[in-house]
Amino acid sequence: EPEVTQTPSHQVTQMGQEVILRCVPISNHLYFYWYRQILGQKVEFLVSFYNNEISEKSEIFDDQFSVERPDGSNFTLKIRSTKLEDSAMYFCASSEGRGGLYEQYFGPGTRLTVT
Amino acid sequence: TQLLEQSPQFLSIQEGENLTVYCNSSSVFSSLQWYRQEPGEGPVLLVTVVTGGEVKKLKRLTFQFGDARKDSSLHITAAQPGDTGLYLCAVPGAGNMLTFGGGTRLMVKP
Repeated sequence: EPEVTQTPSHQVTQMGQEVILRCVPISNHLYFYWYRQILGQKVEFLVSFYNNEISEKSEIFDDQFSVERPDGSNFTLKIRSTKLEDSAMYFCASSEGRGGLYEQYFGPGTRLTVT
Repeated sequence: TQLLEQSPQFLSIQEGENLTVYCNSSSVFSSLQWYRQEPGEGPVLLVTVVTGGEVKKLKRLTFQFGDARKDSSLHITAAQPGDTGLYLCAVPGAGNMLTFGGGTRLMVKP
């Protein structure tokens, strides 16, 4: 069964460093998303991406964040200068197409720890 | 004000018991999804409900969408330890973004 994959599973970085989180969405999906979940809190939407551009972004997704689809398979989230409060699980998700049931399939997540 | 309120927040029951968890809102939604999340993993989609009053069954799990499409419930019959996890409801918004509820953390003891 097709699945979303994410690497690395755990990333430890120092405050102020740049990190890139990687995702391989399900191959025939057209919409891609990043969410984050701070320990013990809700899953929060960061950004959605379609047709090589951002469709929607939340207030969390400020200038320190960027997304890219560098090739036909990868989808990346970059945090330019990490802060302690960026420590969280980051989930990538993908969905098949426009409209319909908005069914999103999530990856296993990357645990980001900023020290 | 929370868009989606899930209750209860925590539920601990014995194997074999039945339970119902709820997802409530004052807003009307075009659809609603239920996910289950285990510690350290991503949410796994269980079901999508679309029509007011709709009932969907997934083995021992029964999902219902309220007639007014503002709320939903998940009923588990004869719970098993493998049902342990965080149950999340979510609704779609602009740009296909999902807004999640806070979840119900279920523990089923053998």
